[in-house]
Amino acid sequence: EIVLTQSPGTLSLSPGEGATLSCRASQSVSSNLAWYQQKPGQAPRLLIYGASNRATGIPDRFSGSGSGTDFTLTISRLEPEDFAVYYCQEYGSSPLIFGGGTTVEIK
Amino acid sequence: EVQLLESGGGLVQPGGSLTLSCAASGFTFSSNPMSWVRQSPGKGLEWISVISSNGGTTYYADSVKGRFTISRVNSKNTLYLQMNSLRAEDTAVYYCAKKGGSGFYPNGWYFDLWGRGTLVTVSS
Repeated sequence: EIVLTQSPGTLSLSPGEGATLSCRASQSVSSNLAWYQQKPGQAPRLLIYGASNRATGIPDRFSGSGSGTDFTLTISRLEPEDFAVYYCQEYGSSPLIFGGGTTVEIK
Repeated sequence: EVQLLESGGGLVQPGGSLTLSCAASGFTFSSNPMSWVRQSPGKGLEWISVISSNGGTTYYADSVKGRFTISRVNSKNTLYLQMNSLRAEDTAVYYCAKKGGSGFYPNGWYFDLWGRGTLVTVSS
């Protein structure tokens, strides 16, 4: 079973700053990686699939990169609505695995 | 409007059973594979099960295999999760989610539409 390790656990940033979130897989998942955003009391929302493809309606300040075992979600300039928890998920093998999440909080 | 709406959650005693439903609208339900994902209070996301568009193929996480059954009735645009032999560690918000990509499991199994979730609490 693949393990996804997200870092850091918490990012404390100010609106307007950039954010870089990491997701590392214990073995290669090729480009079979997605990123989600979750706000308190809400369901997750798909941001990125295929490691670098933005989902429908996702602003271009969100970008994904990486392949194999190392992946990055970058938020170029944080908007107030971007403060949330972010999860990566691999779909290269069974079972489907989610990372433990990174919280992006207001500094 | 494209949406998924879960129902059926509640308080159940350890060892008990519960059936969750997920009503789909705004898209062709019968053409889309579906899944259940859960989230324990204050914790991360855990995939539970997937089902093919015609219901003929299913997969389960080891943590629920043999206790949970996923099913669907396409004529009713509804997905189900039958949960038996419930344990305290099954306490979570249960989400239904639609497969976003294409290909055979696990390929393409990211989730592009989620419901709001229903809370299941297993406690005496």
